[in-house]
Amino acid sequence: EPEVTQTPSHQVTQMGQEVILRCVPISNHLYFYWYRQILGQKVEFLVSFYNNEISEKSEIFDDQFSVERPDGSNFTLKIRSTKLEDSAMYFCASSKRLAGGQETQYFGPGTRLLVL
Amino acid sequence: KQEVTQIPAALSVPEGENLVLNCSFTDSAIYNLQWFRQDPGKGLTSLLLIQSSQREQTSGRLNASLDKSSGRSTLYIAASQPGDSATYLCAVSLVNYKLSFGAGTTVTVRA
Repeated sequence: EPEVTQTPSHQVTQMGQEVILRCVPISNHLYFYWYRQILGQKVEFLVSFYNNEISEKSEIFDDQFSVERPDGSNFTLKIRSTKLEDSAMYFCASSKRLAGGQETQYFGPGTRLLVL
Repeated sequence: KQEVTQIPAALSVPEGENLVLNCSFTDSAIYNLQWFRQDPGKGLTSLLLIQSSQREQTSGRLNASLDKSSGRSTLYIAASQPGDSATYLCAVSLVNYKLSFGAGTTVTVRA
């Protein structure tokens, strides 16, 4: 069964460094998302992406964040200058949207980012 | 802003008992409601999707109901097993399809 994959599974970085989190969505999906979950908190939406454009972004997704689909398979989240509060589990999700608006989002296993 | 609440926060039952997990949301103009399972330190596994036009969905021992007008959904898990121990998350989407999540119900099924 197709699944969303994410690399790396864990990333430790120093504050101020740039990180790139990678995702390979399910191959016939067209809609892509990033969410994050700070330890002990709710999963929260960061950004949605369709047709090589950001569809919507949350107030968390400020200028230090960017997303890209560099080729036909990868979807990346870049954090330019990491802060301590960026430490979280980052989830990629993908979906295809069916007639009538039915959409199941499929999530990857996550990348646990720790900023020191 | 959509707020999603899940009650109870934690639940412990003996094996074989039925589970009832509740989810409520403040904005009834939802498109979809999705139930997920999350194991400790792991990703989210989609269990069931209910469209706003539907009142329930079933998959095996799982049944989810939706009362859109009152802003509620209930996930029923029949004949619970120790393998059902996990955190169950409810998430709703509005017209923009972004998911708003509840904090989850952590279930422990005792053998």
